[in-house]
Amino acid sequence: DSGVTQTPKHLITATGQRVTLRCSPRSGDLSVYWYQQSLDQGLQFLIQYYNGEERAKGNILERFSAQQFPDLHSELNLSSLELGDSALYFCASSVDTAYNSPLHFGNGTRLTVT
Amino acid sequence: GENVEQHPSTLSVQEGDSAVIKCTYSDSASNYFPWYKQELGKGPQLIIDIRSNVGEKKDQRIAVTLNKTAKHFSLHITETQPEDSAVYFCAASLLRNTPLVFGKGTRLSVIA
Repeated sequence: DSGVTQTPKHLITATGQRVTLRCSPRSGDLSVYWYQQSLDQGLQFLIQYYNGEERAKGNILERFSAQQFPDLHSELNLSSLELGDSALYFCASSVDTAYNSPLHFGNGTRLTVT
Repeated sequence: GENVEQHPSTLSVQEGDSAVIKCTYSDSASNYFPWYKQELGKGPQLIIDIRSNVGEKKDQRIAVTLNKTAKHFSLHITETQPEDSAVYFCAASLLRNTPLVFGKGTRLSVIA
């Protein structure tokens, strides 16, 4: 068990809808990362937060947004959903912002857009 | 930006044989190279990592080698067991500059 909790495990929704994915990082970790995993693209970095502040941005669509709250949990909001947004979304946490700190991944949220 | 290529995409080995997965990276300034194992229904889990000031690192049946000149690094698993079956990802990053960039993964099947 990595200590990172993601909810829900599965999410099925229709095109055009909006969903929120939630992540609780490992106790003591201040950095939260969001990754998207699809069959042909592997793990794609979306966005990173550190202690409530956005720290780095990857290939995150404008329809997607995230935030990290004072209790350090994070939410990833996906809006105007398209079929191509169907994927596994992983949250990971690390103790600090150094990119050589081990990432601890949750078990992901599987999003299916129909 | 950094780009990581991983080969092969699938690998089948007999139990007890060795498995080797190779990755190449594009940015010569990259200096941290972890390997993650992802089992079905779970998130990736760090199994070993290496920094650019080291050429090889071992942890029981797992080893990673790094060739900075050629910009490639490899994962070696010896005496493979059925529980080694999983998807393995390599990654690379610049310290404090960019988050990890992952390869596309290798699906390893160990046949009993």
